[in-house]
Amino acid sequence: QQQVKQSPQSLIVQKGGISIINCAYENTAFDYFPWYQQFPGKGPALLIAIRPDVSEKKEGRFTISFNKSAKQFSLHIMDSQPGDSATYFCAAGRWEKLTFGTGTRLTIIP
Amino acid sequence: GAVVSQHPSWVICKSGTSVKIECRSLDFQATTMFWYRQFPKQSLMLMATSNEGSKATYEQGVEKDKFLINHASLTLSTLTVTSAHPEDSSFYICSARDPGGGMAYEQYFGPGTRLTVT
Repeated sequence: QQQVKQSPQSLIVQKGGISIINCAYENTAFDYFPWYQQFPGKGPALLIAIRPDVSEKKEGRFTISFNKSAKQFSLHIMDSQPGDSATYFCAAGRWEKLTFGTGTRLTIIP
Repeated sequence: GAVVSQHPSWVICKSGTSVKIECRSLDFQATTMFWYRQFPKQSLMLMATSNEGSKATYEQGVEKDKFLINHASLTLSTLTVTSAHPEDSSFYICSARDPGGGMAYEQYFGPGTRLTVT
């Protein structure tokens, strides 16, 4: 099963709040879990990525939490800003291939 | 670092014609490049994986004779949509794997090409 399920489909967060996006996967062979940010009309930009031997990784305001036993991982955006308004995709990788989640449209309101 | 460019950024063509899209890794050598297709407000669907100097590997359901991929050098891959039809209209995005990247699997995406077939 190659599917990666992502939720929520859309999310509205107040400026300064924490944005949380969740993903779940089935295939235990996946060994690389990146998050991408995409603005309209642009290609996705790599935000942060994690391997399954680590439970958490933080880079600036972005944190990935990874739960191997539950086959779930999430992106936390701390102190969310209007400039963070974009579509976020999780992905799961095996060998060189990435399988993408369905995307979350994040809107940060003042 | 790890910049990928695409050209053109948008193209309009008539039904039945062919269109070529270029993908270049600007500051690293990419042995592997990927081509994705994205419909409005939808996720990215992998079309094919191209390795420098060898034939591309297409995903199930992707017509290899319609979407011709050439990876002639370590910095250039091209996607040619042959005999384009309106249903081929989409956002095509390439990515390149940086073998020197920290996690080995890191893919860096180009800005995408919007194809409209009339």
